[in-house]
Amino acid sequence: EVQLLESGGGLVQPGGSLRLSCAASGFTFSDYSMSWVRQAPGKGLEWVSTISGAGTPYYADSVKGRFIISRDNSKDRMYLQMNSLRAEDTALFYCAKYEEAFWSGYDAFDLWGQGTPVTVSS
Amino acid sequence: EVVLTQSPGTLSLSPGERATLSCRASQSVSDSKLAWYQQKAGQAPRLLLSGASSRATGIPDRFSGSGSGIDFTLTISRLEPEDFAVYFCQQYGSSPPTFGGGTKVEIK
Repeated sequence: EVQLLESGGGLVQPGGSLRLSCAASGFTFSDYSMSWVRQAPGKGLEWVSTISGAGTPYYADSVKGRFIISRDNSKDRMYLQMNSLRAEDTALFYCAKYEEAFWSGYDAFDLWGQGTPVTVSS
Repeated sequence: EVVLTQSPGTLSLSPGERATLSCRASQSVSDSKLAWYQQKAGQAPRLLLSGASSRATGIPDRFSGSGSGIDFTLTISRLEPEDFAVYFCQQYGSSPPTFGGGTKVEIK
């Protein structure tokens, strides 16, 4: 079955760190760029970061220097290391797959996980 | 960055009616790289259309998209009960990719 499954969310204090994981199945993971997209409670969607199949990362300005995206193609997994977390990072974090294989630009997302919640609060 | 403004914020319609949703960009969307998503309460977004008008796999043909430049439209020809949801547009033609604020289609 083609699916994405996020894990690693939770409650963390401001300034703390958290590592999210996304496990992929049902498709050739290494062929696709992957992304993290977040949604604050009751709000819209915000692109956070993308990593190409070869491992080139891209970040939104709001997280640049604080978040690190990575992937392990041998394990079909993607990660998001989140440091120096702020209250405004509180959101449901989705893992999302690019629609087109071998595409290194930006793309639409044709597969989403169910999300993992991150709450930054003291 | 490209700001996407969706209108109306809420659309109140009855099943069987036609829904027309708008997405306007602050600058031209490169190569019509615009997508539409449907999100139901408690669920992840689902891709409906990409490239402004190409339906994703498994999307019924009552969903159609049009537009270019700065103005894009999602049309649902006849609303089914399962179509009442929030719809987002996204541009991916320039960095960073951005999303509109959403249009909620609710039952009248």
